[in-house]
Amino acid sequence: EPEVTQTPSHQVTQMGQEVILRCVPISNHLYFYWYRQILGQKVEFLVSFYNNEISEKSEIFDDQFSVERPDGSNFTLKIRSTKLEDSAMYFCASTLIYEQYFGPGTRLTVT
Amino acid sequence: GDSVTQMEGPVTLSEEACLTINCTYTATGYPSLFWYVQYPGEGLQLLLKATKADDKGSNKGFEATYRKETTSFHLEKGSVQVSDSAVYFCALSTRTSGSRLTFGEGTQLTVNP
Repeated sequence: EPEVTQTPSHQVTQMGQEVILRCVPISNHLYFYWYRQILGQKVEFLVSFYNNEISEKSEIFDDQFSVERPDGSNFTLKIRSTKLEDSAMYFCASTLIYEQYFGPGTRLTVT
Repeated sequence: GDSVTQMEGPVTLSEEACLTINCTYTATGYPSLFWYVQYPGEGLQLLLKATKADDKGSNKGFEATYRKETTSFHLEKGSVQVSDSAVYFCALSTRTSGSRLTFGEGTQLTVNP
């Protein structure tokens, strides 16, 4: 069964460093998403991506964040200058129309 | 804006007990409703869904009915197993293709043998 994959599973970085989180969505899906979950809190929407552009973003998704689909298979989330409060689990998801399929997540720890 | 509220957890049950996890929502229009499950160390998996009022979603013995009059989508199972131990998330999306999911807080369920 096709699945969404994410790498790495755990990323540790120092405050102020750039990180790139990678995702491979299900191949025939059209919409791609990033969500995050700070420990003990809700899963929060960050951004959605369709037809090679951002279709919606939340107030969390500020200028420090960017997304890209560089090669038709990978979907990346870049954080330019990480802050302590960016420490969270980041989930990628994809869908053809409505049902979103999630990857296993990347745990980002900012020290 | 849209929001989802789940019953406070965690929930601890003995095997074969009945489960209900409450979920209520606030949304403009008529959203689609979902329950996702997260097993330890894994990602979110879609458990069941309902796309219109009075629809009942079901999967793996779990059920939830879309109640427009009470804006609820409670998750139920008649007899839980140890393997059902996980975190359960209620979520909604609008009916626009590709729209975001709005999640509840999640409820940790532990089932003891």
